[in-house]
Amino acid sequence: NAGVTQTPKFRVLKTGQSMTLLCAQDMNHEYMYWYRQDPGMGLRLIHYSVGEGTTAKGEVPDGYNVSRLKKQNFLLGLESAAPSQTSVYFCASSYAGEAFFGQGTRLTVV
Amino acid sequence: GENVEQHPSTLSVQEGDSAVIKCTYSDSASNYFPWYKQELGKGPQLIIDIRSNVGEKKDQRIAVTLNKTAKHFSLHITETQPEDSAVYFCAASIVEAAGNKLTFGGGTRVLVKP
Repeated sequence: NAGVTQTPKFRVLKTGQSMTLLCAQDMNHEYMYWYRQDPGMGLRLIHYSVGEGTTAKGEVPDGYNVSRLKKQNFLLGLESAAPSQTSVYFCASSYAGEAFFGQGTRLTVV
Repeated sequence: GENVEQHPSTLSVQEGDSAVIKCTYSDSASNYFPWYKQELGKGPQLIIDIRSNVGEKKDQRIAVTLNKTAKHFSLHITETQPEDSAVYFCAASIVEAAGNKLTFGGGTRVLVKP
């Protein structure tokens, strides 16, 4: 019973490098989300998707892009990483209420 | 958009005592208020939630109250135990047919001292 799975769990990037974070859910949820968590600031919504083929901006979308080509997958891309993007990233999925979170990806940009 | 404030940011209690965390929200259209517990190195996990048509909900040692008029809601943990030590987040959202965008409070780090 996997739920929401994120890969990778840890990553160190150099400034200017690009990478993609993968989120997969096996609960057939329509909604998926990417949040970032910074100390003392809770979780802030980066982008979300209300279904396959759709994406929308959240609270802090700048510097990130997303894609939802398949219902079960939601990808978060950083085209040119910056130190300000050092954070823990969480993916979640939901249906009419409870959101289920992945274990997180700790990203450090040096 | 929605704004959620959470207090206190840290809370230290003696084992067996009660813990109370309070949150306020800004959007009167919000109708779903979950509470999440996050243990070290893990993702947030739902512990209890309440919808706007209910004023109070209880699940064993955990209870949540909602005051729609004042736009605030609270988490109450009774008979605290060391395993209750974690970071707790409140959130608010408008639940749509297929999902909801959660706006989180800043979190409360709870330490239960044996």
